[in-house]
Amino acid sequence: DAGVTQSPTHLIKTRGQQVTLRCSPKSGHDTVSWYQQALGQGPQFIFQYYEEEERQRGNFPDRFSGHQFPNYSSELNVNALLLGDSALYLCASSLARFYEQYFGPGTRLTVT
Amino acid sequence: DQQVKQNSPSLSVQEGRISILNCDYTNSMFDYFLWYKKYPAEGPTFLISISSIKDKNEDGRFTVFLNKSAKHLSLHIVPSQPGDSAVYFCAAFYGQNFVFGPGTRLSVLP
Repeated sequence: DAGVTQSPTHLIKTRGQQVTLRCSPKSGHDTVSWYQQALGQGPQFIFQYYEEEERQRGNFPDRFSGHQFPNYSSELNVNALLLGDSALYLCASSLARFYEQYFGPGTRLTVT
Repeated sequence: DQQVKQNSPSLSVQEGRISILNCDYTNSMFDYFLWYKKYPAEGPTFLISISSIKDKNEDGRFTVFLNKSAKHLSLHIVPSQPGDSAVYFCAAFYGQNFVFGPGTRLSVLP
């Protein structure tokens, strides 16, 4: 049973560029949440997708957007990248029960 | 404003002894609490949880205690093993709000 997978593993982008990160949820899960984890901090909630709609959003600007596909996989898009966007981006999946989340290994984004 | 705090950035414990990781929260609306463990290059792994209507939950070597009046919870690991060395995150949840603490790095020394 495959767990949560994320791609790519690492990414280097230049300030002002756009980036797309991808996530496939654990088999049987229908809800995907995205988190940003800066160095030395806990994960910060970006948003959650369920039934292909953004269900809840944390305190992140509109430069952060997402999408969920009919197969429950999800994308996180970040526009106009800033140096401060450099972080580990974690995807977590769950089945309706929001708090029982399974995390992927993350995508390390470096903005130069 | 940090709603979930883990005031000890790191903790070292001898193998076989008890590890106690602490977490404090400020929002009394939180009704569910979780502990996650994170190894380098991996995502957080769910460890144990507790509902706000309980004060203790046990799962093998892991026990979580909740003191609602003090807005404090703790994770006890007995006995500690070298494989427990990781970063431990406390997380709190209510409604659709899910907040993580900054983490405590536990080192279990052989």
